[in-house]
Amino acid sequence: KAGVTQTPRYLIKTRGQQVTLSCSPISGHRSVSWYQQTPGQGLQFLFEYFSETQRNKGNFPGRFSGRQFSNSRSEMNVSTLELGDSALYLCASSLSGGERKTQYFGPGTRLLVL
Amino acid sequence: AQKVTQAQTEISVVEKEDVTLDCVYETRDTTYYLFWYKQPPSGELVFLIRRNSFDEQNEISGRYSWNFQKSTSSFNFTITASQVVDSAVYFCALSRFTFGNEKLTFGTGTRLTIIP
Repeated sequence: KAGVTQTPRYLIKTRGQQVTLSCSPISGHRSVSWYQQTPGQGLQFLFEYFSETQRNKGNFPGRFSGRQFSNSRSEMNVSTLELGDSALYLCASSLSGGERKTQYFGPGTRLLVL
Repeated sequence: AQKVTQAQTEISVVEKEDVTLDCVYETRDTTYYLFWYKQPPSGELVFLIRRNSFDEQNEISGRYSWNFQKSTSSFNFTITASQVVDSAVYFCALSRFTFGNEKLTFGTGTRLTIIP
């Protein structure tokens, strides 16, 4: 079974631009979560989608948004990029619920904002 | 609020030594899940183990073992006979048991370096 895939793997943007990151979950997984990893703040939860609906949201500004499609693929968007948005963005998928509550992570997208 | 503390920022050991990574957590929930993930230099988080809070049995998987003690809110990870391939950053994480809440709360990680 293929793992979680994320595209692109690397991105360089300038301040003020916007960016869209994509995540394809493991086949059959309906929950997709996004995390931001920075040296200063560590791993922080952005949001989680299940059946095209945002179920949970972390403490990030509204510039960070996401969506999920009917095939469970997910995208996250960051508008008006700031230097502090430079980070590794990790996507994770899970079957969701009970004994299936294990998140499997993709390789991440490294975003550099100049 | 949930919190995970990994007090050891960096650990270096010589190959074949045993090493224990500490994890202490805080939660008001009576049932929850605990996890360990490994992050090699490539960046991907690799799942190692999940433990339910109502199952305090320790677990061993090859050279890896985990010691869960609910009384002290700790979930420690031991690598026996360490190898260079074990060099990575290790994260302990906590999630709520309730359906519909997949959020993981991570510790700050422990960078483990195995010296050949």
